[in-house]
Amino acid sequence: DAGVTQSPTHLIKTRGQQVTLRCSPKSGHDTVSWYQQALGQGPQFIFQYYEEEERQRGNFPDRFSGHQFPNYSSELNVNALLLGDSALYLCASSWGPGTGRGYTFGSGTRLTVV
Amino acid sequence: AQTVTQSQPEMSVQEAETVTLSCTYDTSESDYYLFWYKQPPSRQMILVIRQEAYKQQNATENRFSVNFQKAAKSFSLKISDSQLGDAAMYFCAFAGGTSYGKLTFGQGTILTVHP
Repeated sequence: DAGVTQSPTHLIKTRGQQVTLRCSPKSGHDTVSWYQQALGQGPQFIFQYYEEEERQRGNFPDRFSGHQFPNYSSELNVNALLLGDSALYLCASSWGPGTGRGYTFGSGTRLTVV
Repeated sequence: AQTVTQSQPEMSVQEAETVTLSCTYDTSESDYYLFWYKQPPSRQMILVIRQEAYKQQNATENRFSVNFQKAAKSFSLKISDSQLGDAAMYFCAFAGGTSYGKLTFGQGTILTVHP
């Protein structure tokens, strides 16, 4: 039973470029959330997707956008990259949008903006 | 808005000993969940234990247990018989109310286990 799969593992981009990160949820899960984790900090909620719609959003600019596909997988897109976007991006999945059961996290994508 | 505070940036423990990690939170919600997650160098966030706020009984999972003080808004994690594999960053997290779909994390506590 595969857990949450994220790709790529590492990524280096130039300031101003655009990036797409991908996430496949754990089997049986239908909800995907994305978090940004700066070095040495706790993860910050970006947004959550359920039934192919953005259900909740954290305090992130519109440069951060996402998508969920019919197979529940998800993409995180970041436009006009800034140096401050360098971080570990974590994807978490669950069954349903509530978190009472807790989320299953992937190992993340380490994004470096130079 | 909910906030979660972990006041111990770093903690250390000898193997086989017991250690307690502290967490306080602030919320006006009455229905919520609290979690402890472990993040080893592999980066994957692993759920250690969760607590439903409406349950007075403290949650336990093998060597891990919590001390949930709802009135004080305190949620500490006790690790008994510490093992080398327990070394990691530990995060306390909150979810509930209108923000039921998101986790609010604390700043984390780095736990070192000495052999």
